Amino acid sequence: AQSVTQLDSHVSVSEGTPVLLRCNYSSSYSPSLFWYVQHPNKGLQLLLKYTSAATLVKGINGFEAEFKKSETSFHLTKPSAHMSDAAEYFCVVSDAGGKLIFGQGTELSVKP
Amino acid sequence: EAGVAQSPRYKIIEKRQSVAFWCNPISGHATLYWYQQILGQGPKLLIQFQNNGVVDDSQLPKDRFSAERLKGVDSTLKIQPAKLEDSAVYLCASSRMDRARYNEQFFGPGTRLTVL
Repeated sequence: AQSVTQLDSHVSVSEGTPVLLRCNYSSSYSPSLFWYVQHPNKGLQLLLKYTSAATLVKGINGFEAEFKKSETSFHLTKPSAHMSDAAEYFCVVSDAGGKLIFGQGTELSVKP
Repeated sequence: EAGVAQSPRYKIIEKRQSVAFWCNPISGHATLYWYQQILGQGPKLLIQFQNNGVVDDSQLPKDRFSAERLKGVDSTLKIQPAKLEDSAVYLCASSRMDRARYNEQFFGPGTRLTVL
């Protein structure tokens, strides 16, 4: 069965400093992996996706993630945080039928 | 294009009452999903429709939850009777249905249900 574990429930950074949100996955086959962002009172938005092409995936708003099979990781990074990045971030794996399985979420706070 | 619409945005009911949520997917999207997101957790799939047929309802508590998608467009999710543990945000999502390995799911803003 597929699953994801987000290693931090809350991450706090200062504006202009790098962001690292960690995610490990478990899958019995080559997975499809995603990061979604959820701003307060707004719907979930896809940041980026990995579907067995390039292992370094670039998404919207300057975010990127690297698929590392040897480490079963798919960490989300951004070189410089903005105040508008404050939100809940979800690491997601898709099963063979396309069903999305969400992690518990990481709340990102950005301090001025 | 217009996004996924959901109503109501908020609902407060007492336990044992009934409640219904409505979702209008993006035009042309054949697949529709209902998720339950309990506070502090990630969304969990309740049911998936393809056109007006059910693809996956393995996580739907069928003794109290029901869903339908008549005519393959709008969908309603009903809870009858509600329990305290049903307090959550109910998210609707839709996606195209084609031969791609992954069809992006687009999410609505959700309905926040509070059961007292």
